[in-house]
Amino acid sequence: QSVLTQPPSVSAAPGQKVTISCSGSSSNIGNNYVSWYQQFPGTAPKLLIYKNNGRPSGIPDRFSGSKSGTSATLGITGLQTGDEADYYCGTRDSSLSVWVFGGGTKLTVL
Amino acid sequence: EVLLLESGGGLVQPGGSLRLSCAASGFTFSNYVMGWVRQAPGKGLEWVSGISVSGGSADYADSVKGRFSISRDNSKKILYLQMNSLRAEDTAVYYCARGGVLNGMDVWGQGTTVTVSS
Repeated sequence: QSVLTQPPSVSAAPGQKVTISCSGSSSNIGNNYVSWYQQFPGTAPKLLIYKNNGRPSGIPDRFSGSKSGTSATLGITGLQTGDEADYYCGTRDSSLSVWVFGGGTKLTVL
Repeated sequence: EVLLLESGGGLVQPGGSLRLSCAASGFTFSNYVMGWVRQAPGKGLEWVSGISVSGGSADYADSVKGRFSISRDNSKKILYLQMNSLRAEDTAVYYCARGGVLNGMDVWGQGTTVTVSS
């Protein structure tokens, strides 16, 4: 059971938009920055979003992040088949003094 | 080019020990918080441990506290994870990663596989 809750899977058609939610508490998302990671099978995770809504260099603006209270959301617009991957949210839990990840969401582009 | 390269994984018997290393290049290693994240077969990401820039402060997941120890050598630009009293549930790909909550984990190694089995 992860400290951060994500839906196990989401799906949408090519060209459409999808959102992935990440729910936590005041000790983690509520008081810390959230980052998002993309992982393809057999490869290392890749940072997509940092500081709730920042995009590292090279990440297209089709990817966006937001945070409200104790929840965060990753949005992906103009879906492509190449976006099929697992997506994880992560942040620090100040009460537990640990980093926590969500359980991951598998994105399927139909 | 900014790179992290893990090594030291392998097959070990339950109760055994391993030391993982992560060699950094292409950036000022001593300026960054570093950490280890693992992924068991078919499972999600699990944070294992993190260490401050100086190495003077470290945190651990409850699942490894008292058994694993993180350290760093800023002069050699190497991050370490000493793993003792290994259990079957420690079987995973272990990644080292740069950064923490402020800027996210922005650089990842390719991972090294640890298998705990008799």
